[in-house]
Order: sequence, then C-alpha cells, then structure tokens
Amino acid sequence: EAQLVQSGAEVKKPGESLKISCEGSDYSFSTYWVAWVRQLPGQGLEWMGIIYPDDSVTKYSPSFQGQVTLSADKSVSTAYLQWRSLRASDTAIYYCARRSGRGHGFDMWGQGTMVTVSS
Amino acid sequence: QSALTQPASVSGSPGQSITISCTGTSSDVGSYNLVSWYQHHPGKAPKLIIYEANKRPSGISDRFSGSKSGNTASLTISGLQAEDEADYYCCSYAGSSVYVFGTGTKVTVL
Repeated sequence: EAQLVQSGAEVKKPGESLKISCEGSDYSFSTYWVAWVRQLPGQGLEWMGIIYPDDSVTKYSPSFQGQVTLSADKSVSTAYLQWRSLRASDTAIYYCARRSGRGHGFDMWGQGTMVTVSS
Repeated sequence: QSALTQPASVSGSPGQSITISCTGTSSDVGSYNLVSWYQHHPGKAPKLIIYEANKRPSGISDRFSGSKSGNTASLTISGLQAEDEADYYCCSYAGSSVYVFGTGTKVTVL
C-alpha cells in the first residue's frame, strides 16, 4: 500500500536547526509533487510549499519563503523540511502530502510530525 | 496569498444536509477549477474528499458533493452522520504551483 511516513516528534530550543523527513513507499515517489502543510496549535491548515522530487523544483508560499527550505532525495524516496534557526512560533504539526497525478488534490498524507520549540 | 474564507462552524442533525462555503478571489478559486476539500479528524491525517471542485476520489461516500460558482466553492454533506463530525478545509490552486487553504470549518453533528 502506498504511503508517506514522517519522522518522529521533535523538541528543540529556539535558534536550533532542524530537518524533518517524509518517506514515500510503494509508488513512483520522484514523479509526484510533495507539499508541506503546517497546523499551528488549535489553528487551521496552512500550505507551505511544494517540491517535485525528480528535479527538486520547489515553490514556496510567500508566507514561508525564506523561513524554511524544502529538499528531496529521490534515491531514498524522501522529502525534507528544514529550518536553520527555529522560533517558538514554529511549534506546530507539520504534514507532508502527495499531490495527485490528476486534479491537483492532495491524495496521500503523512501522519504528521509534531515540532515543539521551547526554551 | 490570503486564506480562503470558510464559516468557522456549521452544525446539523443526523440525516440533514449541510453546506460549507469557501470564498476566494479571482486569482485562485475564480480562476481555476482546481478546488479540493479535506476532512480532518483531530489527531489524524487530513483526507481528500473532493477534487477538481466536484469529483470524488475512489472510496469517498456520495454523500459528499462539491460545486463552484465564481469565486466561491461549496461542499455539501447530505445524510449527515455522527462520523462526519470533523474539521473541513477547502484548498485552491492559485497559479505558479502555489496553493492556498481555507480557514477551516468545524462541523458538529447535533
């Protein structure tokens, strides 16, 4: 069964760096766009950006441009979301999601990674 | 990119129909028929229930239907069931490989 599996929960201090992952399996990972979505505590879903693993073409929401970096390694079917310097306001659940081959819906989601940033 | 506007909450009794609106602009919802809807139960991953404004993925109940007119998309849940109680989000393509989610609607089954 095709799925996206994300890395586990993280607890970090402000100013630290972090890279979380999203591994795809049982489908052609490199040929489907992968998006990242943030959910702040008690808030709604926010679209952060998207990457095409085959050539790492990336597009960011203006709200997240310069704040995070998306990358992918198609050799291990994994997409990454990275911060250079975390802030308390980055505390959230982060989801990765595969964009369907048709219709632009996000048809497969990872289980989410909880990131807690606290001193 | 501003979030698409959804009502904060909608409620209905079992068996009733409810409709959730999703209002965007001529740059997103109004320009593309690429609106999708997601059901999100807290603690679980969101689930795609409508794509291309009115199409259902395989395995999604036909109680869920979508439509779009101008800058507003809508999701209708008919024959409301207890299991439909969840948060619902619309999402629209906004051009240049960018997407935007709606503000989310909490559906309560009375």
